[in-house]
Amino acid sequence: KQEVTQIPAALSVPEGENLVLNCSFTDSAIYNLQWFRQDPGKGLTSLLLIQSSQREQTSGRLNASLDKSSGRSTLYIAASQPGDSATYLCAVPPISNFGNEKLTFGTGTRLTIIP
Amino acid sequence: NAGVTQTPKFQVLKTGQSMTLQCAQDMNHEYMSWYRQDPGMGLRLIHYSVGAGITDQGEVPNGYNVSRSTTEDFPLRLLSAAPSQTSVYFCASSNIPAGIHSGANVLTFGAGSRLTVL
Repeated sequence: KQEVTQIPAALSVPEGENLVLNCSFTDSAIYNLQWFRQDPGKGLTSLLLIQSSQREQTSGRLNASLDKSSGRSTLYIAASQPGDSATYLCAVPPISNFGNEKLTFGTGTRLTIIP
Repeated sequence: NAGVTQTPKFQVLKTGQSMTLQCAQDMNHEYMSWYRQDPGMGLRLIHYSVGAGITDQGEVPNGYNVSRSTTEDFPLRLLSAAPSQTSVYFCASSNIPAGIHSGANVLTFGAGSRLTVL
């Protein structure tokens, strides 16, 4: 069974710093990995999806990387802002599935940017 | 464009009562799903559907029923509510990719329904 881990569970950094969020998965035979953002009391918003062939995906100040061989993905946030404060979750599909059916989510990292 | 709409946003039930959480999407998505989110446990899949008339169980289906009579709607029914079903419930939908190179398919979530069972 695929397991997805995100450590640390919570992270606080001063505004303006660059930071990295981590996501680990146990079975590396995945076609893609997604990163989501969740604001308090809200649903999840998709940030980035990395196909297994891409290794990296960028959106504005966000850069996500995927290393299947080591079972890791990182989400890099440049020049952090208070508006980046949220919980960030990663998710992977079942082995041999490339759609959104039956995604396994990590428990998330709660990020706080200190003004 | 409303996206994914969930109702109600909040609900309090007594043990043994039944209710239906509604989910509707206006994006013509084939795939719809229900997750529950509990502290320290992340999101867990309850049921999902890959099209009208097709449903399947996720990781934690017990105590819940679903049906998919139309593309737009995917209601989640609690048959006899239990305190263990106290949670925040999320509905999500997306297209189903035609192939592994057919491009990204964004999974769109509703705002959630917070259920308390006393």
